[in-house]
Amino acid sequence: GAGVSQSPRYKVAKRGQDVALRCDPISGHVSLFWYQQALGQGPEFLTYFQNEAQLDKSGLPSDRFFAERPEGSVSTLKIQRTQQEDSAVYLCASSFGDRYNQPQHFGDGTRLSIL
Amino acid sequence: QKEVEQDPGPLSVPEGAIVSLNCTYSNSAFQYFMWYRQYSRKGPELLMYTYSSGNKEDGRFTAQVDKSSKYISLFIRDSQPSDSATYLCAMTAGGTSYGKLTFGQGTILTVHP
Repeated sequence: GAGVSQSPRYKVAKRGQDVALRCDPISGHVSLFWYQQALGQGPEFLTYFQNEAQLDKSGLPSDRFFAERPEGSVSTLKIQRTQQEDSAVYLCASSFGDRYNQPQHFGDGTRLSIL
Repeated sequence: QKEVEQDPGPLSVPEGAIVSLNCTYSNSAFQYFMWYRQYSRKGPELLMYTYSSGNKEDGRFTAQVDKSSKYISLFIRDSQPSDSATYLCAMTAGGTSYGKLTFGQGTILTVHP
């Protein structure tokens, strides 16, 4: 497809387990963003990649969160030793350029539930 | 206090009504303003993108920005049941910014036939 693809769509894990969430951005898009959306809230910024470089990780809540984009296309968000407060929808967005005036296209997210 | 404040509603209107959605913000660095629509269990979809103060119209949608008051609005004319969704305002700084978005909480809108 032509849009941003995220997998899995739903993930249930037990507290303490590690999880990995995948994002396939639109082909050729330079910028890739991860956001976290808690129930009833707007998305909150987690981290930003420009090609393979992670230029901003200021929104990552703790050192249990790690993101990578090794070849400048697919990105993975990993959460280690999951906690109940990690339950949320994780959204990935991509944009064509590396500037503020490029619209961001969102995937449908991964809904993570920690039991 | 959050940088972007948005009344979460919920807002319920009859079909054909004019809907007004609003956000206020505190960070004067924000220069670009967006409205996204999010259906249940879907990702946000960009509706409107504006820069300067004033109005921008696209079909039934009008976005309004007042930078002096740090206030933005989205108007939906002739609302339809298919407009039922959560509406998110979002904004970002200009200059050398790469476009990190700051969102409001979202307003839940229901348009009933």
